Amino acid sequence: EAGVVQSPRYKIIEKKQPVAFWCNPISGHNTLYWYRQNLGQGPELLIRYENEEAVDDSQLPKDRFSAERLKGVDSTLKIQPAELGDSAVYLCASSLEVPRAGDTDTQYFGPGTRLTVL
Amino acid sequence: KQEVTQIPAALSVPEGENLVLNCSFTDSAIYNLQWFRQDPGKGLTSLLLIQSSQREQTSGRLNASLDKSSGRSTLYIAASQPGDSATYLCAVPSSGSARQLTFGSGTQLTVLP
Repeated sequence: EAGVVQSPRYKIIEKKQPVAFWCNPISGHNTLYWYRQNLGQGPELLIRYENEEAVDDSQLPKDRFSAERLKGVDSTLKIQPAELGDSAVYLCASSLEVPRAGDTDTQYFGPGTRLTVL
Repeated sequence: KQEVTQIPAALSVPEGENLVLNCSFTDSAIYNLQWFRQDPGKGLTSLLLIQSSQREQTSGRLNASLDKSSGRSTLYIAASQPGDSATYLCAVPSSGSARQLTFGSGTQLTVLP
């Protein structure tokens, strides 16, 4: 079974340029997460989707970041314009629907996209 | 706001040694706690998930314990091997949301052959 697929794996851009990351979750997983991981830190949630709906985007810097998940399958995260501080690894994860309130379902992570902004 | 701390930030041990990684969290009202492994250039892999009603969970040479009242968890690795070298992160659901995880900064483990 294929895992979470992300592309590109690496991206180097100059500041003020736009950049986009793509994620294809595990088939059948209706919840999709985008995380940002700074060097030496744990991942921080940017946005969570349940099917097509963004249900938690409180940590997404909406002035420059945007995301979409058309048709409830793959997703794109965009930054425009990029800033030096956006250099990080952007991780995508997916999980099955949680059947009971209070449970945490296992999240399956992709390999990430390492972004370097010069 | 939930905060998760992992100590030490880095650890180097000789092969065969037993070791303990520590994780502490500020809000003890958690549903569960997870331990993840991250290899360089790769995503995270879930190792163990301990429900709030459990005190420990075992998988092979790994044993994770949870003490909610003190806000602590430990990951015990027995008979360490060079292949165990990776960064280990713990995560708990953020306050008020079972699905949003708050991660620690991780412990970078190196097992020397």
